[in-house]
Amino acid sequence: DVKVTQSSRYLVKRTGEKVFLECVQDMDHENMFWYRQDPGLGLRLIYFSYDVKMKEKGDIPEGYSVSREKKERFSLILESASTNQTSMYLCASSFGLNTEAFFGQGTRLTVV
Amino acid sequence: QQQVKQSPQSLIVQKGGISIINCAYENTAFDYFPWYQQFPGKGPALLIAIRPDVSEKKEGRFTISFNKSAKQFSLHIMDSQPGDSATYFCAASMKGQGGKLIFGQGTELSVKP
Repeated sequence: DVKVTQSSRYLVKRTGEKVFLECVQDMDHENMFWYRQDPGLGLRLIYFSYDVKMKEKGDIPEGYSVSREKKERFSLILESASTNQTSMYLCASSFGLNTEAFFGQGTRLTVV
Repeated sequence: QQQVKQSPQSLIVQKGGISIINCAYENTAFDYFPWYQQFPGKGPALLIAIRPDVSEKKEGRFTISFNKSAKQFSLHIMDSQPGDSATYFCAASMKGQGGKLIFGQGTELSVKP
């Protein structure tokens, strides 16, 4: 089975802190994604990557950056956390084009 | 900019009934339309998907109906069961976009015994 593992289920951070969310997949997938999930807004794409060291902005990249140094790992970075970044963050991976995306269990981040 | 619009936001159905969730899209370049199911505390998981060369796809109790001219697609859950209670998301993607999915707002389905 494909496994997408996010490093933390719950995180509480202070405003202004630099926050790292880590995601690892074990199926050699080319594509990796970071989404945030908010009630009534669905899943919104923050960044995605279709190859090592490649990244593309999604619909809401402001306040975030990403890193993909190895194929299996995709990190989301909040440079200076703010309260409006309190949300559920979901990592996903997929192989090729228009195929099934596999999601991690999510990280619920609270910024106080 | 919401390219995929989903309705209703919440749905309550009696056990054995039919659950219907609708989605509409704007971009005619979309060519892959999956539905994802999410249980509390879990990440979304693929339920069923369709491509625009067919008008309907059925897997067990789950059916996608696709209307290309109207730019709409819907999920029908026949004989709904309490275990189907979850949040459902429609999505769309297009070639040349690195597999990125654009999701609808989600529908919280509750099936009452």
